[in-house]
Amino acid sequence: QKEVEQNSGPLSVPEGAIASLNCTYSDRVSQSFFWYRQYSGKSPELIMSIYSNGDKEDGRFTAQLNKASQYVSLLIRDSQPSDSATYLCAVISLTGGGNKLTFGTGTQLKVEL
Amino acid sequence: SQTIHQWPATLVQPVGSPLSLECTVEGTSNPNLYWYRQAAGRGLQLLFYSVGIGQISSEVPQNLSASRPQDRQFILSSKKLLLSDSGFYLCAWSVQGGFFIETQYFGPGTRLLVL
Repeated sequence: QKEVEQNSGPLSVPEGAIASLNCTYSDRVSQSFFWYRQYSGKSPELIMSIYSNGDKEDGRFTAQLNKASQYVSLLIRDSQPSDSATYLCAVISLTGGGNKLTFGTGTQLKVEL
Repeated sequence: SQTIHQWPATLVQPVGSPLSLECTVEGTSNPNLYWYRQAAGRGLQLLFYSVGIGQISSEVPQNLSASRPQDRQFILSSKKLLLSDSGFYLCAWSVQGGFFIETQYFGPGTRLLVL
């Protein structure tokens, strides 16, 4: 089993819709969770971090964390064509020494006009 | 504010040639530094990380090495490149500190093609 799993997509949503991106992780002691956005040919850029169960909102983005079920999700409201990118989920685990981030392979999002 | 630089931006090298990629961070002291590789269509693979000058941890045994000669400088090297070394090399930094705040910020990357 992969440590961090994401559906590779592509996930296609119409402009203005809500895009829902999901991520599951295997290490039950994981403590810190991150979502990065990566445009084609560019480096990942941080969108959000979340550490506690529940929802965390930042503008059009909402991260949701459920440690009991070991999943973290990212909702993008009012999706725009500029949101088309690959979204990477990343997890830090205390068992990993706290310095190492494990990434999923990413979900490709396409927002269609 | 903090800034991370990488160079070169792109590199085409023959098999068997040496490699040196450089990463520098501005605006922070004593950062954790990381080297990742992203092969085409694949996820990010952690290669090395460093918590201080001269302190390097290797994640994957391979023909690459890393060095940290200065606090905010991280270098990735190879004596002889392989075809499989092609990829997108990313340097990242994070603040030294507690486990719960280890957000990593990435540089612009170096795209390496080994022919």
